[in-house]
Amino acid sequence: GAVVSQHPSRVICKSGTSVKIECRSLDFQATTMFWYRQFPKQSLMLMATSNEGSKATYEQGVEKDKFLINHASLTLSTLTVTSAHPEDSSFYICSARLGGGTEAFFGQGTRLTVV
Amino acid sequence: AQTVTQSQPEMSVQEAETVTLSCTYDTSESDYYLFWYKQPPSRQMILVIRQEAYKQQNATENRFSVNFQKAAKSFSLKISDSQLGDAAMYFCAYNTGTASKLTFGTGTRLQVTL
Repeated sequence: GAVVSQHPSRVICKSGTSVKIECRSLDFQATTMFWYRQFPKQSLMLMATSNEGSKATYEQGVEKDKFLINHASLTLSTLTVTSAHPEDSSFYICSARLGGGTEAFFGQGTRLTVV
Repeated sequence: AQTVTQSQPEMSVQEAETVTLSCTYDTSESDYYLFWYKQPPSRQMILVIRQEAYKQQNATENRFSVNFQKAAKSFSLKISDSQLGDAAMYFCAYNTGTASKLTFGTGTRLQVTL
C-alpha cells in the first residue's frame, strides 16, 4: 500500500514557541491531505483539509492562525502549531489520499508535549 | 450532518473465537464508502476493510468480514479466529467520495484473552 511518513514522531517544546510537523507521501502524489488531532482514549477529530496549492479548509472551532497548514507540493504538507500552550499537547495525525481514490493512508502520528 | 456511532466502548474475545463490532451511521447520501480502521498501541492507523455502498456483496479480507445492511445503515465488523495481535482500538469511518473527509466513530477497544 501507499506510504505516508510523518515527522517527528515525538516533540517536546516550550510554551510560547512554535513547532512544525511534516507529512509526506513517499510513493504517490497526494492532492488532498488531512490533519487530525486525537486526545487520549478518544477518536480522531479532523482539524483541516489541505489541498495542494490552495488554502486549507479548517473545521469549525479550529483556530487557523494557531494551526498553520501549508501544502506546497503534491508530496508534502506541514502543520505548524504557533505559540504553543500546554493545552495544545496532543497526538496529531496526518493522512493523504491518492488522487481520485477514496482510501486515506495515515502517517505514524506525532505526540506533541508543550511544557 | 453525517454521524458514525459505535455503541460498544469495549469488547473482549478469547483467542481463536469470533467477535462482532457494531457500527451504525447516518447519511442522506446514496453513494458513500465505509471503512474499518485498526489502531494498535503504536497508534498507527491501519485500514482493515472497506465497503462501497453501491455493492451489495459484503466485503471480506481474510479473517475480517463485514455485515453491511444499507437500509438499516449498519456496518458491523466480524473478526474470526481472533489473535492476540488483533487487540487494538477499532474505528468505523465513512466518507462520500474522492474529496470527502473521513468521519470517524468513537471507537471500540478490543481485548483478546488467552
